Amino acid sequence: KAGVTQTPRYLIKTRGQQVTLSCSPISGHRSVSWYQQTPGQGLQFLFEYFSETQRNKGNFPGRFSGRQFSNSRSEMNVSTLELGDSALYLCASSSTSGRTGTGELFFGEGSRLTVL
Amino acid sequence: GIQVEQSPPDLILQEGANSTLRCNFSDSVNNLQWFHQNPWGQLINLFYIPSGTKQNGRLSATTVATERYSLLYISSSQTTDSGVYFCAASAYSGAGSYQLTFGKGTKLSVIP
Repeated sequence: KAGVTQTPRYLIKTRGQQVTLSCSPISGHRSVSWYQQTPGQGLQFLFEYFSETQRNKGNFPGRFSGRQFSNSRSEMNVSTLELGDSALYLCASSSTSGRTGTGELFFGEGSRLTVL
Repeated sequence: GIQVEQSPPDLILQEGANSTLRCNFSDSVNNLQWFHQNPWGQLINLFYIPSGTKQNGRLSATTVATERYSLLYISSSQTTDSGVYFCAASAYSGAGSYQLTFGKGTKLSVIP
């Protein structure tokens, strides 16, 4: 069974640009969540989607957005990039909806974003 | 929201030694997971353990939900065990949903 696939793996952007990251969950998983990892803040929850609906959102500015498609693939977008957005962005998939707990999460390899 | 604390923050071991990593959480949790982050950044699942004890080779984990802690045991450590170990707990976050909160991790270095 294929794992969680994230693309691109690495990317470099400049301040003010926008970026879109993609995540394909494990086949059959309908929940996708996103996390940001930085040396200073650690791993922080961004948002979670289930069946194309955002179920939960972390404490991030509106520049961070996401969506989920009917095939459960998800994208996250960061607009007007700032230097502080440089981070490893991790996507996770789960077979549960979050209504009764997160279930076991499986993570992709991440997308490493550098903002210059 | 829930607080997740891991200890120790750093740990240096001689190859072959045993170790115990601890994870404390501040509230009732629905789920708990342990991960090992590899050098490329991927979080590798070690245990999904809301309660009880599980073992997988040289690794084992115990969660005592009523006392709000979990322990990860590594026996006969190897250099390949080096890396950062994260504990993550799932708790109700309001609005009918849950989210996973991570601790800051334990950085383990196993030296030959």
